[in-house]
Amino acid sequence: NAGVTQTPKFQVLKTGQSMTLQCAQDMNHEYMSWYRQDPGMGLRLIHYSVGAGITDQGEVPNGYNVSRSTTEDFPLRLLSAAPSQTSVYFCASSYARAGANVLTFGAGSRLTVL
Amino acid sequence: AQTVTQSQPEMSVQEAETVTLSCTYDTSESDYYLFWYKQPPSRQMILVIRQEAYKQQNATENRFSVNFQKAAKSFSLKISDSQLGDAAMYFCAYRSSGNTGKLIFGQGTTLQVKP
Repeated sequence: NAGVTQTPKFQVLKTGQSMTLQCAQDMNHEYMSWYRQDPGMGLRLIHYSVGAGITDQGEVPNGYNVSRSTTEDFPLRLLSAAPSQTSVYFCASSYARAGANVLTFGAGSRLTVL
Repeated sequence: AQTVTQSQPEMSVQEAETVTLSCTYDTSESDYYLFWYKQPPSRQMILVIRQEAYKQQNATENRFSVNFQKAAKSFSLKISDSQLGDAAMYFCAYRSSGNTGKLIFGQGTTLQVKP
């Protein structure tokens, strides 16, 4: 049982380049989300999805794009990378029902934009 | 909008002693969930303990327990018999009871355990 798998673990980009952070879960979780972690600011929600075909913005969505075509996958796209997007990114998933709503996190992806 | 505040950027404790990490939150909701997550140097986010707001009894998981004060909107984490492996960043987090599942995190507290 792999849980939540994020790739790549590390990435260096130049300003203006695009890339996609991949996230996959094998637990049939309805809810998936992306967070970014910056020093002194905790984790902040970028985008989330409550099911296939449904996405919504979190606290810091600008510069990021998401889609959810399947229950398992929730990729995060950076269309034109900026130095301000240098961060550690976490994907997380959970069931939607209240009694089982503990988030399972991926291992994180460290992104550096030069 | 809900907010979560951890006012202690860094804490230290002697091995085998007890330490309490503070967390306060602000919400107008009556039904919600509170969590403490541990992040060791490996960067992996690990659930430490969970509290349902409708439960008056404080949650306990082995050496970890919480002091949940709903009226004061306070949710502190007590670590008893601290071990070297407890050294990590600890995050307090809030989640509404609705099915959007958005988790709101505090800024984090770095815990150092001294041998």
